[in-house]
Amino acid sequence: DIQMTQSPSSLSASVGDRVAITCRASQSIDNWLAWYQQKPGKPPQVLIYKTSKLESGVPPRFSGSGSGTEFTLTISSLQPDDFATYYCQHYNSNSPTFGQGTKVEVK
Amino acid sequence: EVQLVESGGGLAQPGGSLRLSCEASGFIFSSYEMNWVRQAPGKGLEWVAYISSLSSNIYYADSVKGRFTISRDNANNSLFLQMNSLSPEDTAVYFCARERAGAGRPDWFDSWGQGTLVTVSS
Repeated sequence: DIQMTQSPSSLSASVGDRVAITCRASQSIDNWLAWYQQKPGKPPQVLIYKTSKLESGVPPRFSGSGSGTEFTLTISSLQPDDFATYYCQHYNSNSPTFGQGTKVEVK
Repeated sequence: EVQLVESGGGLAQPGGSLRLSCEASGFIFSSYEMNWVRQAPGKGLEWVAYISSLSSNIYYADSVKGRFTISRDNANNSLFLQMNSLSPEDTAVYFCARERAGAGRPDWFDSWGQGTLVTVSS
C-alpha cells in the first residue's frame, strides 16, 4: 500500500499567518490527492481534490500544489475558523490511504 | 441536501459482532460508490472498505479483510458494514463516505456521515 506522510504533525500559528502543510507519498500518485479539514467531533470535509482543485464553497485562501510524491496545502491567511486538523489522502488505487494529520493550533 | 446517517454502533465484546448501517438521502444512492472510514479515539483516519454502485466490486483494508463485510441495498438507500471477530483495535468512530460519482476510477470522498462509535471491550 502507498504510505502518506504529513509534516509537520502540528503547528502553532496566528490569525493572518501563511501556513503550509506537506504530504509525501511513498510512490508516485500522479495528482490523485485530496485534502480534508476536520474539527473536533465532526466528520472530515474535503477542501481540495486532484491536488489543486478547490471544492465548491471552500474559501480561496486554501490552495494545493504538487505532483508525483510531494504535495502542499497552503492557507494564505489563517482565519479563526481554520484551526483544525488537516489530512491528505491519495486515491490513486482501490486502497486509499490518509496521512496521519496536521493539527493547526492557536499560537 | 445530501445526508448520510450512520447507526448500529455501541459496545461489543472482543470476538463479538456488530452491524453498522448508513442511511442515505438527498441523492441517487444507486449511482454512487460508497466507503467506510474509521477513526480511533484521538487518532487519524483509516479507510476500511469500498463497494461499487452495483456491488460488483468490493475492496477491504488488510486490517479488516476476512472479518468485515460491506454490502448495500440500493432499493432502500442503505449501506452496511458487518463486523465480526471484533478486537479492541477496532474501537473507533465509523463514518460512511460517498465517493464522487462518474469518474470511472477511484475518487475522493465528497460527503461524510457524522459517524457512529464502536467500542470493543470486555
